[in-house]
Amino acid sequence: TQLLEQSPQFLSIQEGENLTVYCNSSSVFSSLQWYRQEPGEGPVLLVTVVTGGEVKKLKRLTFQFGDARKDSSLHITAAQPGDTGLYLCAGRGADKLIFGTGTRLQVFP
Amino acid sequence: SAVISQKPSRDICQRGTSLTIQCQVDSQVTMMFWYRQQPGQSLTLIATANQGSEATYESGFVIDKFPISRPNLTFSTLTVSNMSPEDSSIYLCSVTPYTDTQYFGPGTRLTVL
Repeated sequence: TQLLEQSPQFLSIQEGENLTVYCNSSSVFSSLQWYRQEPGEGPVLLVTVVTGGEVKKLKRLTFQFGDARKDSSLHITAAQPGDTGLYLCAGRGADKLIFGTGTRLQVFP
Repeated sequence: SAVISQKPSRDICQRGTSLTIQCQVDSQVTMMFWYRQQPGQSLTLIATANQGSEATYESGFVIDKFPISRPNLTFSTLTVSNMSPEDSSIYLCSVTPYTDTQYFGPGTRLTVL
């Protein structure tokens, strides 16, 4: 069974702080995605990483795929209240998307 | 992209009753997915619904409890049968119109009393 563990599970920070969320697995994935989900809505895709070692930037968000394609990280610089939400990593399995355990981020003004 | 709508957006139901959730997509898609998200948790895949064939259920989910219909390429329904409080969750419909791009509906928030 392919599992994706995220850490931390919860994170409460002040506006302007930096943070990193980790997504780890013992399995290799062909690609890995990061989603953000806000209350009352479905998850929205932020990025897809495909190549081991790949780094992608989306404004203040930096995503990295591990060299062995088993793990990934999301780094947010100078967090803002609008970054608040549930962050989910998801690995592409053989025929379906496998979601991580989730990280709930709260950014206070 | 794909725009997905779900009905109802939320409902409060009595134990032992059934609820049917509808999912409508603005474009034709081959595969549709139904997920459950229990309070404060991540997403768990219930089943994959392909048009013209029976849905494929994940371990721990059975057709008698979660019957699915997929009458055409833009619509699907998920029924939660004989509900108990443990079925209280958000139910999400999802599609993959393009490889590696998955879109989600807004979800149906179900509370079972």
